[in-house]
This record gives sequence, C-alpha cells and structure tokens, in this order.
Amino acid sequence: DVKVTQSSRYLVKRTGEKVFLECVQDMDHENMFWYRQDPGLGLRLIYFSYDVKMKEKGDIPEGYSVSREKKERFSLILESASTNQTSMYLCASSFAGEGWREQFFGPGTRLTVL
Amino acid sequence: AQTVTQSQPEMSVQEAETVTLSCTYDTSESDYYLFWYKQPPSRQMILVIRQEAYKQQNATENRFSVNFQKAAKSFSLKISDSQLGDAAMYFCAYRSARGGGSEKLVFGKGTKLTVNP
Repeated sequence: DVKVTQSSRYLVKRTGEKVFLECVQDMDHENMFWYRQDPGLGLRLIYFSYDVKMKEKGDIPEGYSVSREKKERFSLILESASTNQTSMYLCASSFAGEGWREQFFGPGTRLTVL
Repeated sequence: AQTVTQSQPEMSVQEAETVTLSCTYDTSESDYYLFWYKQPPSRQMILVIRQEAYKQQNATENRFSVNFQKAAKSFSLKISDSQLGDAAMYFCAYRSARGGGSEKLVFGKGTKLTVNP
C-alpha cells in the first residue's frame, strides 16, 4: 500500500514562529504536493515538486516555502506564521509521466496559529 | 486557467437510496482527467473514481458511477445503494493530460454528503 505520512496531526504555533510541516512517502513517487484545505474553499495548491530540489509555485504560495532534499520527503515551511495561515494542510504524492496518475494523500495536519 | 464548480455544498440521502453529486468544469483543453475524491470525517482523502476525457464510456466502480458529458463540461457522481460509510466530503477534481507542470489537481469546493439511517 502507498503510504503518505505527515509529521503531526495537530499543531499549535504562535504568530511569528517558523513552522515546518513534514511529509514522507514510501512509493518512490516523483511528484509531491502541498495543499491547503479551508471550509467552503476546497483544496488549493500551495507548492509542488516534480523532482529533488525542484519546485513550482501553486495557486497560493505567498507566505510559504518548500524544501525537497530527498525524493521521499517534502517539507512546507511557514517562515513567520500568521493567524490567516490557520488551516488544514494536506500533502500528496504521485508518479510522474503519462496517464491519469492517482494522487495519494496524507492524513493532514491541522495547524492553529495563535 | 481551469476551474471546477460543485454547486451543492451539502446533500443528504437515505440509506439504500441513490444520490447524484454535481460537478462542472471549465477548460479549453481537449485531453484531461477528471476525478472524484472522498474525504471521510477525520480520515484520509481517497480516490473514488476517475474518467479519462478521451473515453466516451462512463466510468463505474461498484456502487459508484459517473455521468460524463464532455460537451457540457459536466461530471456528476452517482452513488447507488447508499451506505452509512459513504458519508463524507466529496471533491471533484480536474487534471490536465499535458504532464510536466500541469500534473496538479484543480479541486472544486466540495459537497458534504450525509447518509441518514
């Protein structure tokens, strides 16, 4: 079974803190994604990576950065957390290339910024 | 840019009945994929069913089927013989078939399905 794990299910941070959200997949997927999920807004793509050290901005990259030093690990970084970054964060991964390529999701991290 | 619209924020169905969730999308591309994902309460998002745009035949997976109308840009999900375990948020998603940087999913805002016993 494909497994995508995220470092924390729940996280509480203070405004201005630097926050790291970690995601690990065990299926040798090339692509990894970070989404933000908010009620009434669905899932919105923050960043994705199609290879080690490669990244592309998604639809809402402002206030976030990412790091992918190893193929299996994709980190989302909030350089200075703000209250409007309180949300559910979902990581996903998939194989690259032709075909419909299912994205597999992690359990999510519910981040609260106080 | 592609957009996906789910016009029903919430739906409810009686156990064993059939329910249809609506999804429309906007794209100028001719080749793409469409997906329905299910997110049960406090559980991981899982793929329910997919449809390749080049296929005319509607996809079916057990009790789940889709009605894909390419010209109308419509992709509805039908759940037959609804079960209590079908209660979840359902997301419709679009993905370009171009590959490369186009491999991201574009999601609708979701439909919350309640199944009444």
